[in-house]
Amino acid sequence: DSGVTQTPKHLITATGQRVTLRCSPRSGDLSVYWYQQSLDQGLQFLIQYYNGEERAKGNILERFSAQQFPDLHSELNLSSLELGDSALYFCASSVGPDGEQFFGPGTRLTVL
Amino acid sequence: KNQVEQSPQSLIILEGKNCTLQCNYTVSPFSNLRWYKQDTGRGPVSLTIMTFSENTKSNGRYTATLDADTKQSSLHITASQLSDSASYICVVSWDNYGQNFVFGPGTRLSVLP
Repeated sequence: DSGVTQTPKHLITATGQRVTLRCSPRSGDLSVYWYQQSLDQGLQFLIQYYNGEERAKGNILERFSAQQFPDLHSELNLSSLELGDSALYFCASSVGPDGEQFFGPGTRLTVL
Repeated sequence: KNQVEQSPQSLIILEGKNCTLQCNYTVSPFSNLRWYKQDTGRGPVSLTIMTFSENTKSNGRYTATLDADTKQSSLHITASQLSDSASYICVVSWDNYGQNFVFGPGTRLSVLP
């Protein structure tokens, strides 16, 4: 158990819908990262927040957005969902703005 | 452009055998290199981390090497076990504000009885 929690574990929704994924970092970690992993693909970095501020942006679509709240938990919002958005979404956290990342168990999103 | 390549893409070995996975990178200025293990459907877990001055690091049956001159790293697994079946991901970081790391595509290892 890495100490990073993600909810929900599974999510099934329809095309065109909007969903919110939630992540709570390890106690004391200020940085949160979001990743997308499609079936049999590598991890695609989406976005990083550090202490409430956006620090780095990867291959995040305009339909996706995220934020980190004052209590340091983070949410990833996915809108106008398409079939291709079906994937595992991982959250990770680290103590500082860079450093070893500890990954959560992931949220499996299925878009029908 | 900062990139990481891994080889082979996949590997099948018999239980008890050794294997070596490769990671080549074009990252500058180099900060550190990590190897992660990812079981299917689960989040990656860090195995080793090496900085510029380190050329070998062990974690049980896992030994990572780093040649910063040739920008290559390898992960050697000794006496493989069925539980070693997973994807192994090389992650390289550099000194920069903003995104300062890149994940390799991973090597999928299957250990057969």
